[in-house]
Amino acid sequence: AQSVTQLDSQVPVFEEAPVELRCNYSSSVSVYLFWYVQYPNQGLQLLLKYLSGSTLVKGINGFEAEFNKSQTSFHLRKPSVHISDTAEYFCAVSDQSQNFVFGPGTRLSVLP
Amino acid sequence: KAGVTQTPRYLIKTRGQQVTLSCSPISGHRSVSWYQQTPGQGLQFLFEYFSETQRNKGNFPGRFSGRQFSNSRSEMNVSTLELGDSALYLCASSPDGGRLGYTFGSGTRLTVV
Repeated sequence: AQSVTQLDSQVPVFEEAPVELRCNYSSSVSVYLFWYVQYPNQGLQLLLKYLSGSTLVKGINGFEAEFNKSQTSFHLRKPSVHISDTAEYFCAVSDQSQNFVFGPGTRLSVLP
Repeated sequence: KAGVTQTPRYLIKTRGQQVTLSCSPISGHRSVSWYQQTPGQGLQFLFEYFSETQRNKGNFPGRFSGRQFSNSRSEMNVSTLELGDSALYLCASSPDGGRLGYTFGSGTRLTVV
């Protein structure tokens, strides 16, 4: 069965600093990878997704992620964060069998 | 294009009552999935419906049930509510069963008192 690991449950970072949120998945078969963001009392919003092609994927709000097949990772990065980026971030993976699995989430806190 | 609509947005119920939550997916989406989100357990998968058939089910007791109608709208029902059922219930829809990702609604915040 698929599993997704987000090693950091909480990441505090100062405003305008860079950030990386880590995501690793277990599957060795072809997968599709996603990052979602959840603001307080909201549903999940898709930030970006990797389906095929270039391993560097750009998303909304200045976020990007890099698919690394050999390390089974899909880390999310932003070069300069804003207070408004404070939210919970979820990594997810789906496979050809249409199993869709979320990671446990990483709470990003941007400090002034 | 309208997004995923969940109603009601907030709900307060008493222990022992039952509740029905509604989800209208994006037009053309045939797959609807439900998730329960709590601070302690995170996002937990409840079930997935595709073309009116339950295709996958999470590890929840039988008090949790759902259905999908021919227009792809979905409802989930929780009977004999317990305090621990207080949570944000999220619905998500997809055209293809989730393989290419889901679009989420804003959720229904259920509080059981």
